[in-house]
Amino acid sequence: GAGVSQTPSNKVTEKGKYVELRCDPISGHTALYWYRQSLGQGPEFLIYFQGTGAADDSGLPNDRFFAVRPEGSVSTLKIQRTERGDSAVYLCASSLTSRIEAFFGQGTRLTVV
Amino acid sequence: GQQLNQSPQSMFIQEGEDVSMNCTSSSIFNTWLWYKQDPGEGPVLLIALYKAGELTSNGRLTAQFGITRKDSFLNISASIPSDVGIYFCAGDLNAGNNRKLIWGLGTSLAVNP
Repeated sequence: GAGVSQTPSNKVTEKGKYVELRCDPISGHTALYWYRQSLGQGPEFLIYFQGTGAADDSGLPNDRFFAVRPEGSVSTLKIQRTERGDSAVYLCASSLTSRIEAFFGQGTRLTVV
Repeated sequence: GQQLNQSPQSMFIQEGEDVSMNCTSSSIFNTWLWYKQDPGEGPVLLIALYKAGELTSNGRLTAQFGITRKDSFLNISASIPSDVGIYFCAGDLNAGNNRKLIWGLGTSLAVNP
């Protein structure tokens, strides 16, 4: 597609539930990033994929968070046993392998109640 | 986590005025990026800077990569109402395969028509 697409745009879930957030990167972009943004803050790095593999997952806050990109295109961020503190906007971005400039989707607003 | 020091935190100006904001860090950065974020949207890339001392323009926007590689500024000339939004600086600490961006807390810009 023309830009990075994220679904759903909004997700409300109950504490303790499992959620999946999806990201469709720009066609041809091999690098894909997940960030998390809380109100009044800048984006916080979670994980970076180069192709199918996670090149850097140092930003994942704990083992409840997991992300996959099985075919090197679409990525899914998975959160188990959600907590209220997980509420935030989850941003996905993609870039060409050789470039640091990342292009962002509109984000998924996750609310854990 | 590590963040850039971005100032001012917010600005309220009259349409037609020039705007200046900056980012500083105690660390040396390889790349500086400036993004704008509108409510409910992901950040949109405005300008990317790659070399110390580099001065780059994008329409009414001008940004510079500081000589020490520890700071950058963004200027907006002749502001218009659609300049309203939050401006973020982001930096890349490492060359090579690490693509993790460090972000400032943003400068919120309001323009009075």
